Amino acid sequence: EPEVTQTPSHQVTQMGQEVILRCVPISNHLYFYWYRQILGQKVEFLVSFYNNEISEKSEIFDDQFSVERPDGSNFTLKIRSTKLEDSAMYFCASNGKMAGELFFGEGSRLTVL
Amino acid sequence: DQQVKQNSPSLSVQEGRISILNCDYTNSMFDYFLWYKKYPAEGPTFLISISSIKDKNEDGRFTVFLNKSAKHLSLHIVPSQPGDSAVYFCAASANGGTSYGKLTFGQGTILTVHP
Repeated sequence: EPEVTQTPSHQVTQMGQEVILRCVPISNHLYFYWYRQILGQKVEFLVSFYNNEISEKSEIFDDQFSVERPDGSNFTLKIRSTKLEDSAMYFCASNGKMAGELFFGEGSRLTVL
Repeated sequence: DQQVKQNSPSLSVQEGRISILNCDYTNSMFDYFLWYKKYPAEGPTFLISISSIKDKNEDGRFTVFLNKSAKHLSLHIVPSQPGDSAVYFCAASANGGTSYGKLTFGQGTILTVHP
């Protein structure tokens, strides 16, 4: 069964460092998303991406965040200068149509020290 | 952000019995609702969805009921199995689910099914 894969599964970084989280969406999907879940809190929408541009973003997704689809398979989330409060589980998701259910990856845990 | 609320942090059920998980929402623009299941160290897995034009959707052991006037939905699992033990998230979307995958999640309910 096709699945969304994410790397790394866990990354520890120092405050102020840049981090890139990588995702390989399901191959025929066209819509890509990043969500995050801070420990003990809700899963929160960050950004959606379609046709090589951001479709929608939340208030959380400020200038320190960026997304990119550098090639035909990868979808990345970059955090330019990490803060302690960026520590969370980051989930990538994709779907093959604008509506309907999203397929989530297993997540990348980011710990900022 | 309390637009989607799951007021029960946990639920414990005996194997074979019915599990009922509840979810309330406040945003009248929401018109598409989903339930996800999540095991530890895994991402959310889609279970079932319902559009606001319906009041019930059934898929095997899982049934979702939507009460638009009360802004309430529930997930019924019958019969419950130990493998159903997980965190269940309610999620909502606007614009017929076409709001570019922007789902608003509830806090989750931990379901434990005892053998």
